[in-house]
Amino acid sequence: KQEVTQIPAALSVPEGENLVLNCSFTDSAIYNLQWFRQDPGKGLTSLLLIQSSQREQTSGRLNASLDKSSGRSTLYIAASQPGDSATYLCAARDDKIIFGKGTRLHILP
Amino acid sequence: GAVVSQHPSRVICKSGTSVKIECRSLDFQATTMFWYRQFPKQSLMLMATSNEGSKATYEQGVEKDKFLINHASLTLSTLTVTSAHPEDSSFYICSAPSRGQGSDTQYFGPGTRLTVL
Repeated sequence: KQEVTQIPAALSVPEGENLVLNCSFTDSAIYNLQWFRQDPGKGLTSLLLIQSSQREQTSGRLNASLDKSSGRSTLYIAASQPGDSATYLCAARDDKIIFGKGTRLHILP
Repeated sequence: GAVVSQHPSRVICKSGTSVKIECRSLDFQATTMFWYRQFPKQSLMLMATSNEGSKATYEQGVEKDKFLINHASLTLSTLTVTSAHPEDSSFYICSAPSRGQGSDTQYFGPGTRLTVL
């Protein structure tokens, strides 16, 4: 049974810092891994999707990596901004999508 | 890009009533859609997989007689919460995969916030 874990559960960093969010999954037989952002009371916004054959994806200040063999993915956010404050979820897809519990990120102005 | 809509975005109902939530894929067809539930400060949890033309597949612990799923067409799935109770108050989100060019991307609806009084 696939389990997805995100560390840390919460993170506060000063504006401008680079940061890394971690996601691990127990079953490496995944089709893809996706990172989402969720603002309070809102639905999900897809940030980056990494197919199982890919190692990383980049979008603006965001870079996500995938290491299937070790069951890990990271989301790197460069030059953080207060608007980046949100909960970040990763989700591993095999025949279902399994979500981690998320990392609550707070960027301090 | 592909869009998934949900209706309504917010609903408040009395205990004991039934509530229907619609999930539509607006510019692509989806033989499968997924329904999730999110309680406050918790992660999204998969409730069921909606299959066009066949019965939905429910996750362990989800009552299929309480959460009725109908995948009426290739662009519409509905979730009906029957005899809703306050503990059913939650944020319900659907998703649909859009397959193209060898990739399989999940598109999520904006969610429906259900409050049962």
